[in-house]
Amino acid sequence: DAGVTQSPTHLIKTRGQHVTLRCSPISGHKSVSWYQQVLGQGPQFIFQYYEKEERGRGNFPDRFSARQFPNYSSELNVNALLLGDSALYLCASRLPGQGSEQYFGPGTRLTVT
Amino acid sequence: GENVEQHPSTLSVQEGDSAVIKCTYSDSASNYFPWYKQELGKRPQLIIDIRSNVGEKKDQRIAVTLNKTAKHFSLHITETQPEDSAVYFCAASKEMDSSYKLIFGSGTRLLVRP
Repeated sequence: DAGVTQSPTHLIKTRGQHVTLRCSPISGHKSVSWYQQVLGQGPQFIFQYYEKEERGRGNFPDRFSARQFPNYSSELNVNALLLGDSALYLCASRLPGQGSEQYFGPGTRLTVT
Repeated sequence: GENVEQHPSTLSVQEGDSAVIKCTYSDSASNYFPWYKQELGKRPQLIIDIRSNVGEKKDQRIAVTLNKTAKHFSLHITETQPEDSAVYFCAASKEMDSSYKLIFGSGTRLLVRP
């Protein structure tokens, strides 16, 4: 069974552009979360979706948005990119309920120039 | 707001020695405390976790302790090996059925010298 997958693996964008990152959860996992990890820091929570509804949002500006599709895959969108958006974007999935481990994908490395 | 502080930021030990990493959390409603190991360029991998109804948990050379009153939890690695070298993150969460988010510490870079 495949783990969490993300695409693309690397991306280079220019300031002001828009980016869409994609995530496919482990089969059967209905909860997907997004995290931003700036180099040298811990992951920061951006969004969590469960059953296609937003269940949590971190302290990020409105330039960041996400959605979850009927097949539980998810997209993270970032508008008007800033240099500070350069980071590793991690997607994670888990089964609902207590005792379920959260599994991380390999991440998308975004560089904004 | 919710916050997790982690210390030290870097830790260098001789192979075979023990390593201890400490974290404190701010939200007293947190009930789940995982520890992740992240090697360079790779995704975080869960190595051990503890829930608030337990004070200590062990898995071979790794142990985690939790003090709910003080809102502290710690990772203990015994008989360290060079392959333990990595960045370790603690995290805290309020584990609920459909809502879930991890608040991570800032990480500890562990170097095990052969």
